[in-house]
Amino acid sequence: QKEVEQDPGPLSVPEGAIVSLNCTYSNSAFQYFMWYRQYSRKGPELLMYTYSSGNKEDGRFTAQVDKSSKYISLFIRDSQPSDSATYLCAMSSYNNNDMRFGAGTRLTVKP
Amino acid sequence: DTAVSQTPKYLVTQMGNDKSIKCEQNLGHDTMYWYKQDSKKFLKIMFSYNNKELIINETVPNRFSPKSPDKAHLNLHINSLELGDSAVYFCASSQSQDNSPLHFGNGTRLTVT
Repeated sequence: QKEVEQDPGPLSVPEGAIVSLNCTYSNSAFQYFMWYRQYSRKGPELLMYTYSSGNKEDGRFTAQVDKSSKYISLFIRDSQPSDSATYLCAMSSYNNNDMRFGAGTRLTVKP
Repeated sequence: DTAVSQTPKYLVTQMGNDKSIKCEQNLGHDTMYWYKQDSKKFLKIMFSYNNKELIINETVPNRFSPKSPDKAHLNLHINSLELGDSAVYFCASSQSQDNSPLHFGNGTRLTVT
């Protein structure tokens, strides 16, 4: 079993839809959780950063962490074609050297 | 202004050659990293470098060696390139190594023929 599991998709939605992206993990020591967005031929850029369990909202993006279920989610409201990218979850426990990434979910938002 | 820049963007070379990839960050960060992203998009850490302390992922072959002339630069040297080295290599930096967010460059696409 991989430490971090993420469905690679692809996921295709119409513009304006609510998108739900998820990751599960096996290491209960993870306590820092991140979502990165990666456009084609570009490096990942940080979207959301959360510590421990709970929700965090930033504009159209909401990150949720459920440590008891070892499950994290990213919701995108009113999705736009510019949201089309690969979304990578990442998590770490003690420092960045033990950070683990999911495989990434490729999202396409169609106009 | 690009925060983390790496060159070249593309690198095509033959098996057995030695090549280098350069990385520079202008964010004033203390820690820099090299990541490898394979064809399935998995990002795996190769090295981190913080205050002259190098931490190596034990799975990285010793043909790969990072070199840091100063805090703002971390170059990657690869000797005796193999077909399996073909991937996208990302440089990244963070304020510190203590769970501060990573800032990535745009990658170097290495193709070994």
